[in-house]
Amino acid sequence: GAGVSQSPSNKVTEKGKDVELRCDPISGHTALYWYRQSLGQGLEFLIYFQGNSAPDKSGLPSDRFSAERTGGSVSTLTIQRTQQEDSAVYLCASSYRTGTGYTFGSGTRLTVV
Amino acid sequence: KQEVTQIPAALSVPEGENLVLNCSFTDSAIYNLQWFRQDPGKGLTSLLLIQSSQREQTSGRLNASLDKSSGRSTLYIAASQPGDSATYLCAVDGGTSYGKLTFGQGTILTVHP
Repeated sequence: GAGVSQSPSNKVTEKGKDVELRCDPISGHTALYWYRQSLGQGLEFLIYFQGNSAPDKSGLPSDRFSAERTGGSVSTLTIQRTQQEDSAVYLCASSYRTGTGYTFGSGTRLTVV
Repeated sequence: KQEVTQIPAALSVPEGENLVLNCSFTDSAIYNLQWFRQDPGKGLTSLLLIQSSQREQTSGRLNASLDKSSGRSTLYIAASQPGDSATYLCAVDGGTSYGKLTFGQGTILTVHP
């Protein structure tokens, strides 16, 4: 597609529920990243995909967070048993290859009540 | 660990002024540096990408410079307009965190008529 597409744009969920966030990168972009932006905080790296593999998962805050990427394209970030501190904007970015600049999606605003 | 600092944290100027936003990073072994703009409640829009071998990039009224050896970059905005009001983020790719971006905290710019 023309840009990085994320869905849903907004998600309100009850504490303890699982959520799935989706990212559809630019066609042909092999590198995909998930970041989190909490209120008043900077952007926090979560996970990086090169193709379908995730060589860097160092930013995932707990084992409740997982992500996968299939077909070298769409990625899903799953948060299990959501907590209020998970409330944030989750941003996805893709790149043709690492080191060539990044295009970000509009993000998913997650609110855990 | 790469650290990125942006100064000032906030800036308010009258329309028409030329202004400079500063970004410094601790590890000079970077692959590139990217400036982004973020409007309230929105994702990130890429403004300029400077590869490590480059000294500057220009796009319209924006000019970004890079001094890799001293760990500094500046974003120059000429003839500022109210529509330039946003948060400006500096991000570096590489060094000890190759394959992911390390962001500064951003500069909140307000241009008043």
